[in-house]
Amino acid sequence: EPEVTQTPSHQVTQMGQEVILRCVPISNHLYFYWYRQILGQKVEFLVSFYNNEISEKSEIFDDQFSVERPDGSNFTLKIRSTKLEDSAMYFCASRGSGASTDTQYFGPGTRLTVL
Amino acid sequence: AQSVTQLDSQVPVFEEAPVELRCNYSSSVSVYLFWYVQYPNQGLQLLLKYLSGSTLVESINGFEAEFNKSQTSFHLRKPSVHISDTAEYFCAVIQGGSEKLVFGKGTKLTVNP
Repeated sequence: EPEVTQTPSHQVTQMGQEVILRCVPISNHLYFYWYRQILGQKVEFLVSFYNNEISEKSEIFDDQFSVERPDGSNFTLKIRSTKLEDSAMYFCASRGSGASTDTQYFGPGTRLTVL
Repeated sequence: AQSVTQLDSQVPVFEEAPVELRCNYSSSVSVYLFWYVQYPNQGLQLLLKYLSGSTLVESINGFEAEFNKSQTSFHLRKPSVHISDTAEYFCAVIQGGSEKLVFGKGTKLTVNP
C-alpha cells in the first residue's frame, strides 16, 4: 500500500538555525499538509498546499515557515530561524483529488529538537 | 473556533473487555468527524469517519462510532478489545469549507492480558 514518508525521523538543531523537513507524499495525491504536535499537546494544523500554492494556513504558520514542492515528488517545510518552542513532532499528510473530507494520509513524523 | 475534547488521556483495559473512548466537539455546523489511530513509531492512520447518512459508522477491525448531534459527541467503542488495539487514538473534525483537521489531545489505550 502506498504511504507517506518523511525524513529525517529525528532532527536536532541549534536555536537560530534553519531546518528543512522533507516529505514524499503518495504519488498521485494533489493536496499536501503539515501538522505539528508539541509534546503533551494536540496535533495542530500548520498549512495546506495545492496547485503550488498555500490554500490555508494557521496563525502558527508565520514568516519563519515556508513550504515548497521543489520537484514532482517532494514536499518540504522550512523553518528559517528555529526557536526552542519549535521543538515538536512534525507530520506531513497528503490526499487525492476530490472533497476536502477525503482521507488525509499521514507520514510517521519528524521529531525536531531545538537546543 | 472549532475545538475537540477527548476527556480521557489514558484508558487501561483488560483483553476482551469493552471500551469507549470519548470525544466531544464544539460546533455542530457542517462538521465531519474522524478517528485516527497511531501505533508506536507509525503515522496517524484513519480508523473511521462520519460524513453524512447513518450516524453509526464502523471500521474493519471492529470499532464503531456514533455521531450524536444533540450531544456534539462522536464516541468510539469496541465490544471486545485485543492486545493489538494498544495505541493512541485521536478524534478529529473538519468544518465544512476548511481543509484542516482539528484534533483532540488523544487517548492512549492500553490493553492488558
